[in-house]
Amino acid sequence: QSVLTQPPSVSGAPGQRVTISCTGGSSDIGAGFDVHWYQQLPGTAPKLLIYGNNNRPSGVPDRFSGSKSGTSASLAITGLQAEDEADYYCQSYDSSVSGSVFGGGTKLTVL
Amino acid sequence: EVQLVETGGGLVQPGGSLRLSCAASGFTFSFYWMTWVRQAPGKGLEWVATIKHDGSEKYYADSVRGRYTISRDNAKNSVSLQMSSLRAEDTAVYYCARDRGMSYYFDHWGQGSLVSVSS
Repeated sequence: QSVLTQPPSVSGAPGQRVTISCTGGSSDIGAGFDVHWYQQLPGTAPKLLIYGNNNRPSGVPDRFSGSKSGTSASLAITGLQAEDEADYYCQSYDSSVSGSVFGGGTKLTVL
Repeated sequence: EVQLVETGGGLVQPGGSLRLSCAASGFTFSFYWMTWVRQAPGKGLEWVATIKHDGSEKYYADSVRGRYTISRDNAKNSVSLQMSSLRAEDTAVYYCARDRGMSYYFDHWGQGSLVSVSS
């Protein structure tokens, strides 16, 4: 069981907006640690998508955005494209284990 | 261009040992923490171990502490994961990742190396 909780799946039609939630607790997100997001396309390694709650690495389209509030965070994807179909993972630091923790992952299906 | 290439994966019997290596290039390796993350077949990502830039501190997930050892050789731009007392549940693709230290995120990942533990 993952420390961070994500919905197993979300879906949306091309051009729509979807959000993926990530809920933690008092020793990770709620303790003030940043949330980061990764995209994993089928059969490939994860790729950093959002870091520090709402920052995009160079090359990541501005269709992807992140936010954090309290013990939760969200990833929003606007203008959905077929190429966005992938698994998305949130990640933070957990002071109770002195290490990183991941969400269970959310599979995004573009209808 | 940052590159991370894992090697050393394979099939091992329960109770056996295996050593993974990750060769880094395209950045000043000695400046960065490094981390191993694994992904069991069809499952999510699991943090395994992290080592500071100078090797002075190491951190492990509870699931591997006492069985795995992370190490690095800054002269050779490589990080390793020595795995022992392997169990079936250790079967996974193991990724090495460049770690942004106290920012606690991973900005570059290798392609992964599959470790299968089975008799």
